[in-house]
Amino acid sequence: AQSVSQHNHHVILSEAASLELGCNYSYGGTVNLFWYVQYPGQHLQLLLKYFSGDPLVKGIKGFEAEFIKSKFSFNLRKPSVQWSDTAEYFCAVNENFNKFYFGSGTKLNVKP
Amino acid sequence: DTGVSQDPRHKITKRGQNVTFRCDPISEHNRLYWYRQTLGQGPEFLTYFQNEAQLEKSRLLSDRFSAERPKGSFSTLEIQRTEQGDSAMYLCASSYQETQYFGPGTRLLVL
Repeated sequence: AQSVSQHNHHVILSEAASLELGCNYSYGGTVNLFWYVQYPGQHLQLLLKYFSGDPLVKGIKGFEAEFIKSKFSFNLRKPSVQWSDTAEYFCAVNENFNKFYFGSGTKLNVKP
Repeated sequence: DTGVSQDPRHKITKRGQNVTFRCDPISEHNRLYWYRQTLGQGPEFLTYFQNEAQLEKSRLLSDRFSAERPKGSFSTLEIQRTEQGDSAMYLCASSYQETQYFGPGTRLLVL
């Protein structure tokens, strides 16, 4: 079975700091990769996704992620975070658009 | 498009009771997923439907759990003889292609 690891469980940053959240998955075949975000009091929503092509994908709100196949990684980045980015971020992997596997999440707290 | 809705939003029950949750997907979404999420964890896959067919079930879905999607629209998840370990947030998501849209979840507390 697939497993997804998010090593940073809780990250605290000041506004304007750069962000990088790690995500590693175990499956070595063709995968589809996602980052979801859950803002306080809201439900999960898609931030960005990667299926194929350019390994650097851009999502909403200035987020981007880079797929590195050799490292089984799909790290999320943002050059300059804002207080409104305070949320929990989940990495997810899917093999055939069937079963999705989620990481345990990273809580980001941005100090104003 | 009103999004994925789930009912109820909260449920408190006593151990041993049966509970049923409902999920209404975005209309015309042919895939529907159920997940369970506990504190400090990401969503864990339970089962998914393509139209009315249940195509995969996780081993997390014991015999006490059953899900249906009778007409390929809304879905129900029933838990029989609830146990305290069933306390969790139950999430529903729907998709037409590759992107899942999540509902607000049903938070279950088993006393």
